Amino acid sequence: DTGVSQNPRHKITKRGQNVTFRCDPISEHNRLYWYRQTLGQGPEFLTYFQNEAQLEKSRLLSDRFSAERPKGSFSTLEIQRTEQGDSAMYLCASSLSREGSYTFGSGTRLTVV
Amino acid sequence: GQQLNQSPQSMFIQEGEDVSMNCTSSSIFNTWLWYKQDPGEGPVLLIALYKAGELTSNGRLTAQFGITRKDSFLNISASIPSDVGIYFCAGRPNAGNMLTFGGGTRLMVKP
Repeated sequence: DTGVSQNPRHKITKRGQNVTFRCDPISEHNRLYWYRQTLGQGPEFLTYFQNEAQLEKSRLLSDRFSAERPKGSFSTLEIQRTEQGDSAMYLCASSLSREGSYTFGSGTRLTVV
Repeated sequence: GQQLNQSPQSMFIQEGEDVSMNCTSSSIFNTWLWYKQDPGEGPVLLIALYKAGELTSNGRLTAQFGITRKDSFLNISASIPSDVGIYFCAGRPNAGNMLTFGGGTRLMVKP
């Protein structure tokens, strides 16, 4: 399977804990995106990487959120001091070029209790 | 928040019927995309539109990029049970790399 892979698929955490998600994009795709999707809504943009450089960040990405793509391949999204409002599906996508279509992963569903 | 208005929010139709949904925006987009999302999965691309006025088909699906660049529609002909899911439109502006998504249309098909 050469699609976008996300781990874990599900994460339940207590409020105040830190969580980290991983995304492995399609290998030849140099662009990687993180989106967040809450129930009944469309995905909302969080951040974008071109290779290892983080080039765009949404205002949704508060100080508690940090994303990295250290070698321009896989990416991690960390949420510190989780809050109940962080409960959502976190989606990763990759593309070969700006005009190219995104391929989304299956997402990581976070539940903060 | 969302900048795309997608309608209808939900549809419950009989198998075999045709379906139409649309998206409108207050701003211009250079690309319109239509995705389908099944429960617990990420969105899957159905159709991509890159030019104003463009009409593109993918099997039973047809989508159009509005002339004003502020709207798009998706039609599904002769619906079947596996068409069930949530359909999202998404737009990409001239500058920037982010997609803006609509709120989705939940399609339910009665066999």
